[in-house]
Amino acid sequence: QKEVEQDPGPLSVPEGAIVSLNCTYSNSAFQYFMWYRQYSRKGPELLMYTYSSGNKEDGRFTAQVDKSSKYISLFIRDSQPSDSATYLCAMSVETSYDKVIFGPGTSLSVIP
Amino acid sequence: ETGVTQTPRHLVMGMTNKKSLKCEQHLGHNAMYWYKQSAKKPLELMFVYSLEERVENNSVPSRFSPECPNSSHLFLHLHTLQPEDSALYLCASSPLPSGANVLTFGAGSRLTVL
Repeated sequence: QKEVEQDPGPLSVPEGAIVSLNCTYSNSAFQYFMWYRQYSRKGPELLMYTYSSGNKEDGRFTAQVDKSSKYISLFIRDSQPSDSATYLCAMSVETSYDKVIFGPGTSLSVIP
Repeated sequence: ETGVTQTPRHLVMGMTNKKSLKCEQHLGHNAMYWYKQSAKKPLELMFVYSLEERVENNSVPSRFSPECPNSSHLFLHLHTLQPEDSALYLCASSPLPSGANVLTFGAGSRLTVL
């Protein structure tokens, strides 16, 4: 079983839709949960991160962590064409250089 | 310039060539990383340098050779590569780990090995 699983998509939604992106993981010791966004021909950039369980909101973006189910989600409200990108989840056990584990990414297209 | 800058953005090389990828960060970070990104696969950590000393080498083939002359610059020297090494090579930096160890990535160098 892979440490972090993520549906690669592609996911295509109309503008204004609510988007739900998800990752599952196997290591119950993960404590830090991150979402990166990667536009075409660019490197990933951090969207938001959470520590342990719970929700975190930043504008149109909400990150949720359910440690009991080993499941994390990123919700995008009122999606825009500029949200079209690949979304990578990442997580780590502890503060360390080499323990950040990435998912393969979900490709999202928001159609005007 | 700000952030993390990678050059060249695109590189095509034959299996017998020697080339280098360069990364420069202007963020005052103490750690620098090389990641490999292949289609539909998670990012693979290749090398980590902290304060110019190598911290991690994830069993990367010796045809990849990193160099970190100072805390702002990182190189990846390439020689005798294989076609399966074709990928996007991402450089990243971070402050000394604290909390989530958030990485700042460059735009990547797209490598094609013929």
